[in-house]
Formats: sequence, C-alpha cells, structure tokens
Amino acid sequence: NAGVTQTPKFRILKIGQSMTLQCTQDMNHNYMYWYRQDPGMGLKLIYYSVGAGITDKGEVPNGYNVSRSTTEDFPLRLELAAPSQTSVYFCAIGQNYEQYFGPGTRLTVT
Amino acid sequence: AQSVTQPDIHITVSEGASLELRCNYSYGATPYLFWYVQSPGQGLQLLLKYFSGDTLVQGIKGFEAEFKRSQSSFNLRKPSVHWSDAAEYFCAVQRNQGGKLIFGQGTELSVKP
Repeated sequence: NAGVTQTPKFRILKIGQSMTLQCTQDMNHNYMYWYRQDPGMGLKLIYYSVGAGITDKGEVPNGYNVSRSTTEDFPLRLELAAPSQTSVYFCAIGQNYEQYFGPGTRLTVT
Repeated sequence: AQSVTQPDIHITVSEGASLELRCNYSYGATPYLFWYVQSPGQGLQLLLKYFSGDTLVQGIKGFEAEFKRSQSSFNLRKPSVHWSDAAEYFCAVQRNQGGKLIFGQGTELSVKP
C-alpha cells in the first residue's frame, strides 16, 4: 500500500463516542486525503491536505475534523460518532497526479 | 459538476474470456483518468492512468484502457481474464494535480471457472 499505514483496522464505537483514525506515510508526499467508502457509493472525499499546516474540506466533511502538523501524519477525528458514520475509511497520499491508498479502517457506530 | 458513471454494477465472465468495463465521465475539459482495483477487504490499487497523448494506455496485470474524447469514455479491457481478477473496479477522474478524485460507483467482477 505504497507506504501508507492506517490504524486501527477495525473499530466499533457507541453513538456519541469520539475517536481518531490515524494515517501515517513514509513517502514524503505533500498531498494527503481522507475518503469514506459506503456500499455501492464509490469513495467520497472527506478532507484533504496539500502540505503540513494546510487542510481543506472535501465533499462530505460534516462530523469530522483533521489536522496536519507534520508531512507524515494526517489524523481524522470523529467527535460525536453517529450511525451515519459507519463506513470504511481510506487514507491516501498523492504526488504527480497519482494517489496511493492505505488498507483502510472499518468503523461501525452502534 | 464532474461525475463518473459506471453503468454495470456487477459483471460475470468466464475465465479466459475477454473483459470490458465501461466508464463515462462528465467534465468540461479532458480530466485526468484512472482505474483502480479493490480486492475484498483491501485498499485500492492503481491499475492505470491517462493524462494525455496516446489514447490507449497500458497498465498492470495485463489491463489496458482507451480514452475516447468524443464519447467521454475511458473503458477498461483485458483480453483474457484470470480467476484472480475477481474484484471491484473503480473508474475515477481528477481535474488537476492534488485535486480530489471523483469515483464512479464501482463494478464488481466475478469470474466463473
């Protein structure tokens, strides 16, 4: 998965709990992305970053927050988990128009 | 707004048969075009990409895709499918470097022995 590490692999949350999905890269790529994948819906962009200290919203940012204090790390924060956030979350890194995806985190909110 | 359509949700082909997965996009100019493959429980792997130039592009695992501007299409092909090709395939477009990828809904490929 091109040097992209995501933790945890699986997580079950109760409604209202919070958690942070971790994404770390060792490729020194400037661009990093968070996507969510719902069945039959393809992937939707949540947030992205063009470099340390710079983040911006994607298509579906509500309920999430991100930070990018270093080139390597791009954590995704869920503050008040809701059932609608049950999904598979993918972190990706980008360079020269290509994006490379991590293995994903499967999150269930009940 | 940009959009990507993969008309076939699920396709079944016999091992050794040829394969074509369809992808149509909606965008004012020629975007950057990609095909990704996702095996069950795995992340997405880049199969091939088109930026400019030759409209027939070769990718990994014996796949190729052809860009047809007049049809706004970027169909994926393989002459002879192997059982290990069973997976979900996503077409995606990107407007510019660093820009978001817009994905189609995906096509699930099953391979019959």
